[in-house]
Amino acid sequence: DADVTQTPRNRITKTGKRIMLECSQTKGHDRMYWYRQDPGLGLRLIYYSFDVKDINKGEISDGYSVSRQAQAKFSLSLESAIPNQTALYFCATSDPATGNQPQHFGDGTRLSIL
Amino acid sequence: DQQVKQNSPSLSVQEGRISILNCDYTNSMFDYFLWYKKYPAEGPTFLISISSIKDKNEDGRFTVFLNKSAKHLSLHIVPSQPGDSAVYFCAASFNAGNMLTFGGGTRLMVKP
Repeated sequence: DADVTQTPRNRITKTGKRIMLECSQTKGHDRMYWYRQDPGLGLRLIYYSFDVKDINKGEISDGYSVSRQAQAKFSLSLESAIPNQTALYFCATSDPATGNQPQHFGDGTRLSIL
Repeated sequence: DQQVKQNSPSLSVQEGRISILNCDYTNSMFDYFLWYKKYPAEGPTFLISISSIKDKNEDGRFTVFLNKSAKHLSLHIVPSQPGDSAVYFCAASFNAGNMLTFGGGTRLMVKP
């Protein structure tokens, strides 16, 4: 089984819909991250969380929200999806004991908003 | 403005030859650099890293070189194998901390 699991793997939805992407991990890491990947732009950080009570905005948090339900679970929500949020989304974890690097990624969620 | 840039979107190399992937950065505060490899339908996986106190780090067929004065790093793969065909991302952080800044990626194709 994968250490970092993202669900769903693919999602097509319509403009204005609320969407939740879920991430769970079995690595026991405290720190979790959400990124989006766009062609030519690499991965950009949306939100990150150091522990259950800690949430931080990343580079591109507008239009997104997150919830850290437990150490192992970190979900990303799009409250009202818009077409330019069409992208590949990745969840990642890291371990402070190893200096937070490297980060370990899930296999991604491909999201299309029509 | 992108602080980490990979100016070559793609690179094609013959099997057995050297692959050189390049990455430039603009922020002199970056002090820890990583390379990730990504296959289709999978997440990025960590490949190799280097701290700014070093100028070279090797791991098997993979070597990363860091030129701090030029704000440039490169990944050398020798010899290249068809299984190395993937997208490679360089990334940088401050104080080996939490926030990674990624380049746009280079697609490497190794031809048999």
